[in-house]
Amino acid sequence: DIQMTQSPASLSASLGETVSIECLASEDIYNNLAWYQQKPGKSPQFLIYYASSLQDGVPSRFSGSGSGTQYSLKINSLESEDAATYFCLQDSEYPLTFGSGTKLEIK
Amino acid sequence: QVQLKETGPDLVQLTQTLSITCTVSGFSLTTYNVHWVRQPPGKGLEWMGAMWNGGGTDYNSAFKSRLSISRDTSKSQVFLKMNSLQTDDTAKYFCARQLAFFDYWGQGVMVTVSS
Repeated sequence: DIQMTQSPASLSASLGETVSIECLASEDIYNNLAWYQQKPGKSPQFLIYYASSLQDGVPSRFSGSGSGTQYSLKINSLESEDAATYFCLQDSEYPLTFGSGTKLEIK
Repeated sequence: QVQLKETGPDLVQLTQTLSITCTVSGFSLTTYNVHWVRQPPGKGLEWMGAMWNGGGTDYNSAFKSRLSISRDTSKSQVFLKMNSLQTDDTAKYFCARQLAFFDYWGQGVMVTVSS
């Protein structure tokens, strides 16, 4: 199975700042990576697909990058509504596997 | 409007069978795949299995011996059944739609396995 190592587990940032979250795959996943945002009690919201393509309706302050085994999600100009847990999903090989999640707190 | 909604029991007894229904609207089960994912409290997400749009299924080998996924396209429902439940099966269970990636998820149903 492909292991997805996500970091950091949590982070705290101020309004207007920029943050990055990383996912490291145990093998090449050929950009078959998605990012999701999850708020407590809510269903995950689809943000990014194929590592860097922004899903329709997602604010442009979200961006994804990476290739091979290393991927990142960047959030520019943090807003209060960005407080959530973010996780990655690799869709390169079954079984699908997820990163462990990053809890983002807005100061 | 695309929606997925999981319904199932809050509590299941140890060694019993879990049955959850995912009722979808706004799309066809013969076009989109539907997957099951679970999340134990305080832990990460785990892919369980899939119902393909053509009617086939695929399972995570971690569950293969006790997991079954089926569907009723006339009712727009996908079913998860898992037997021999243990306390570490306590989790929130989600269904999610997929064409390329999971673009819509249900809100999930929290299931506690009680001894």
